[in-house]
Amino acid sequence: DVKVTQSSRYLVKRTGEKVFLECVQDMDHENMFWYRQDPGLGLRLIYFSYDVKMKEKGDIPEGYSVSREKKERFSLILESASTNQTSMYLCASTSGGAVIATNEKLFFGSGTQLSVL
Amino acid sequence: QKEVEQNSGPLSVPEGAIASLNCTYSDRVSQSFFWYRQYSGKSPELIMSIYSNGDKEDGRFTAQLNKASQYVSLLIRDSQPSDSATYLCALTGTASKLTFGTGTRLQVTL
Repeated sequence: DVKVTQSSRYLVKRTGEKVFLECVQDMDHENMFWYRQDPGLGLRLIYFSYDVKMKEKGDIPEGYSVSREKKERFSLILESASTNQTSMYLCASTSGGAVIATNEKLFFGSGTQLSVL
Repeated sequence: QKEVEQNSGPLSVPEGAIASLNCTYSDRVSQSFFWYRQYSGKSPELIMSIYSNGDKEDGRFTAQLNKASQYVSLLIRDSQPSDSATYLCALTGTASKLTFGTGTRLQVTL
């Protein structure tokens, strides 16, 4: 069965800490994505990657960076966590290269609920 | 104007009725459209995709697309309590990425 695994389900961090959120997929997918989901704001794209060492900014990249050293792993980094980064973070992957095809399905991880105090 | 607009709900329908969920979008060059279902505390899962005008049926679900009017809808026939969830509309536009609406919460009552 296909799987996208996020390292932590719940995470509590202090303001100013450097935070790493890890995501691993076992489907040999080219595309990987990081979203955050907030009540009333829906899913918003932070960064995505369509190949190893490639990254593209999404709609809300400020305060975040990413790393994709291996095809199966896509990491989201909060360089200096702030309280407004408290959110549910969802990783997703899909095949298809740089363009999402008509019926490409995003496979989501189970999410990481991050609280920054 | 938001790229993808959905009424947040909740939309309440009795069991066995048809639930109609609507989504409008602003980017005329949007190409592909998707409906994801998200149960509370869970991740979204794809239930329908549609890319050409008209209707597409899959079991109890029908997606409808009207590019001229820039809306896409999802009909759920014979609604069941297990259909109670948030339904997210999503689309691909000028950039090769998926943009989501904020979702409509559906409640199917007994």
